[in-house]
Amino acid sequence: SQTIHQWPATLVQPVGSPLSLECTVEGTSNPNLYWYRQAAGRGLQLLFYSVGIGQISSEVPQNLSASRPQDRQFILSSKKLLLSDSGFYLCAWREPDRGLSEAFFGQGTRLTVV
Amino acid sequence: GDSVTQMEGPVTLSEEAFLTINCTYTATGYPSLFWYVQYPGEGLQLLLKATKADDKGSNKGFEATYRKETTSFHLEKGSVQVSDSAVYFCALSDTSGTYKYIFGTGTRLKVLA
Repeated sequence: SQTIHQWPATLVQPVGSPLSLECTVEGTSNPNLYWYRQAAGRGLQLLFYSVGIGQISSEVPQNLSASRPQDRQFILSSKKLLLSDSGFYLCAWREPDRGLSEAFFGQGTRLTVV
Repeated sequence: GDSVTQMEGPVTLSEEAFLTINCTYTATGYPSLFWYVQYPGEGLQLLLKATKADDKGSNKGFEATYRKETTSFHLEKGSVQVSDSAVYFCALSDTSGTYKYIFGTGTRLKVLA
């Protein structure tokens, strides 16, 4: 069966420090991968998505970047965190079936920038 | 670009009341549509989906019909229970090649006994 791992679960980082959040999927090949930020009153904001290794689409210009160095690995990064980067970050995967399937979510990372 | 608009919450109902949560979308092509539910302290889980016009998704007494003419996918339940209290998200999947997957802002439902 397929599983998704996202870590760390919580993170407290000072302003200006770098960020790396990792997400890995097991039990599937060539998944579509997504990074979201969930904020109260704003739902799930799509940040980045990827349909293959090295293929990244960005939805919101901001202080973050994403990379997909391996087929089932998706990384969210920042060189210098801002206070406004605080939030709850979710990784998700879907089958590569032309957009018909549901998404499966990781447990999320609560990031607090201080 | 593609977008999903949900009715503002919170929605507060008495047990056994009828529920409607509105969802409309903007998309190029023919997207797939989804409803997710997030119970308190839990992650998002799929509630139902529809992949083409006039399809009706249903699960746990909830229903939603994909209406292309009104670009809507409203969630309904005939008789809500306290256990239905949660946040409900409408979502859209592009099927034309980008496979972008976007969500609405969520609607919080509170059902009172």
